[in-house]
Amino acid sequence: EAGVTQFPSHSVIEKGQTVTLRCDPISGHDNLYWYRRVMGKEIKFLLHFVKESKQDESGMPNNRFLAERTGGTYSTLKVQPAELEDSGVYFCASSHRRWDEKLFFGSGTQLSVL
Amino acid sequence: AQSVAQPEDQVNVAEGNPLTVKCTYSVSGNPYLFWYVQYPNRGLQFLLKYITGDNLVKGSYGFEAEFNKSQTSFHLKKPSALVSDSALYFCAVRDGALAAGNKLTFGGGTRVLVKP
Repeated sequence: EAGVTQFPSHSVIEKGQTVTLRCDPISGHDNLYWYRRVMGKEIKFLLHFVKESKQDESGMPNNRFLAERTGGTYSTLKVQPAELEDSGVYFCASSHRRWDEKLFFGSGTQLSVL
Repeated sequence: AQSVAQPEDQVNVAEGNPLTVKCTYSVSGNPYLFWYVQYPNRGLQFLLKYITGDNLVKGSYGFEAEFNKSQTSFHLKKPSALVSDSALYFCAVRDGALAAGNKLTFGGGTRVLVKP
């Protein structure tokens, strides 16, 4: 079974530019989550999709971040315009059922904003 | 609000010695507790969970964790560490109430270094 895949693995951009991160969940997993780890600190929740619907976006830091999941398959997370404090590792995770007690994580996208 | 504390940034242990990674938590309802591990250039992998029942839970790769309600702790343990256990370990919690959703709150992570 293919795992959760994330693209790109690394991205280096300048402040003010736009970056789009992509996540392909495990096939059949309706639930998709975005998390991020900034400055080597805690991994923090960003948002949760159930199929194409945003179930919980309480962790999105501000309106420079836009997440989509058209068709309920892969998801994108766009940062526009990027700021220095957006640097960190962005993780995607998926699960089949909403209350699944185990999440499957991708290897993350390391974002560096210079 | 939920919170998790991992008081040690790094734990060093000799191969063959017992390994303990500490975690304390705070949650308003019944805690669902998890340990995940991240190996270099890999995603987080699920190790084990406590939902209810026996306070000692066993997980992957010989790891186990003990739930202590009075101390609000969920320490990860392994009786005999291997060099291959060197990785970054994350403790996580979520409120067991259905209304709380499946949003995990993670600790800051503990790097484990097992020396030969």
